[in-house]
Amino acid sequence: EPEVTQTPSHQVTQMGQEVILRCVPISNHLYFYWYRQILGQKVEFLVSFYNNEISEKSEIFDDQFSVERPDGSNFTLKIRSTKLEDSAMYFCASRGTDGTSGSDSSYNEQFFGPGTRLTVL
Amino acid sequence: AQSVAQPEDQVNVAEGNPLTVKCTYSVSGNPYLFWYVQYPNRGLQFLLKYITGDNLVKGSYGFEAEFNKSQTSFHLKKPSALVSDSALYFCAVRDTSSNTGKLIFGQGTTLQVKP
Repeated sequence: EPEVTQTPSHQVTQMGQEVILRCVPISNHLYFYWYRQILGQKVEFLVSFYNNEISEKSEIFDDQFSVERPDGSNFTLKIRSTKLEDSAMYFCASRGTDGTSGSDSSYNEQFFGPGTRLTVL
Repeated sequence: AQSVAQPEDQVNVAEGNPLTVKCTYSVSGNPYLFWYVQYPNRGLQFLLKYITGDNLVKGSYGFEAEFNKSQTSFHLKKPSALVSDSALYFCAVRDTSSNTGKLIFGQGTTLQVKP
């Protein structure tokens, strides 16, 4: 069964350093997402990506964050200068489409990766 | 604002007994509702969804959920719990104010099934 993969599983970094979290979505999916979960809190949306561009971003997703799909398979989240409050579990997700242009395929479930635990010291 | 609530932080049941994990939602328009399960050190695994049609939906591992429009609820159920069902369960709804399909999650409910 196809699955979303994420690397690394755990990243420890110093405040102010740049980190790149990597994801490989399911190969025929077209919609990609990043969510995060601060310890003890809800899973919250960060950004969605479709057709090689950001389709929506949350208030959390400020100028320190960026996403990229550099090679048609990987989907990365970069944090330029990490802060203590960026410590969280980061989940990548992807969603398929029925392939019909213009149709609303948001009823398709999102498939999540195992997450990257980011610890900022 | 659109939201999902899971009123119980933890649910404890004995193996073999029925289980219910509660979820209520608040969205405008027609809701697309999802349940996910998270085992330790694993990602969120899809269990089931409600889009339209029959209010009782069946999913993976013997789980089912009942959509109740008047009560804006989507409770997760299983007739006979297994110890292996012990995990963290998340209810989610598609944000209808967005066309990206992004999900709004509840805070999660820990299910503990005791032998």
